Amino acid sequence: NAGVTQTPKFRVLKTGQSMTLLCAQDMNHEYMYWYRQDPGMGLRLIHYSVGEGTTAKGEVPDGYNVSRLKKQNFLLGLESAAPSQTSVYFCASSSYTQGLYQPQHFGDGTRLSIL
Amino acid sequence: ILNVEQSPQSLHVQEGDSTNFTCSFPSSNFYALHWYRWETAKSPEALFVMTLNGDEKKKGRISATLNTKEGYSYLYIKGSQPEDSATYLCAFLGAAGNKLTFGGGTRVLVKP
Repeated sequence: NAGVTQTPKFRVLKTGQSMTLLCAQDMNHEYMYWYRQDPGMGLRLIHYSVGEGTTAKGEVPDGYNVSRLKKQNFLLGLESAAPSQTSVYFCASSSYTQGLYQPQHFGDGTRLSIL
Repeated sequence: ILNVEQSPQSLHVQEGDSTNFTCSFPSSNFYALHWYRWETAKSPEALFVMTLNGDEKKKGRISATLNTKEGYSYLYIKGSQPEDSATYLCAFLGAAGNKLTFGGGTRVLVKP
């Protein structure tokens, strides 16, 4: 009963390095989301996807790219990491059923530090 | 950017006392309001999805009300217990789409 799985859980990068965060869900959800969580800021939406092959910008998309090549996976990329991207990143997924957008299911988070 | 605000930011409650806190959101283009509970070192978990003006939802000692005309929701905890200590997030879903806008959360600490 995995739900939403994020890898890695922790990572330390140097400024300018690139990396990809992976989110995988096994609930056949159409919608997937990437958030960042910073002290005092709550959860802010980076990018989201309403289905395989589609992505859209959220509130804070600059410096990030995403891809949804398979329905179950949503990748978040940092092309050139900056210290301002030090944060905890959460992936979430949800579905639209019974005429309602269902609650989002969250992964355990990825703690990313950029030095 | 939509304005979703929660107050207070933090709350200390004595065990056994009841408490409540507020989520304010835009009163136009409303579709749904979600409430999540977020314990330290865990991920947020859904409490309620509220869609209709006047909605009341209950889960154990936790309940929520919704006023879409004036743009607010209250979450109540009756007889607080230490295990209720968590951050409670509300999230607004507008009529236009399928993405949530989260408030900053109310952090509740229940003291034994």
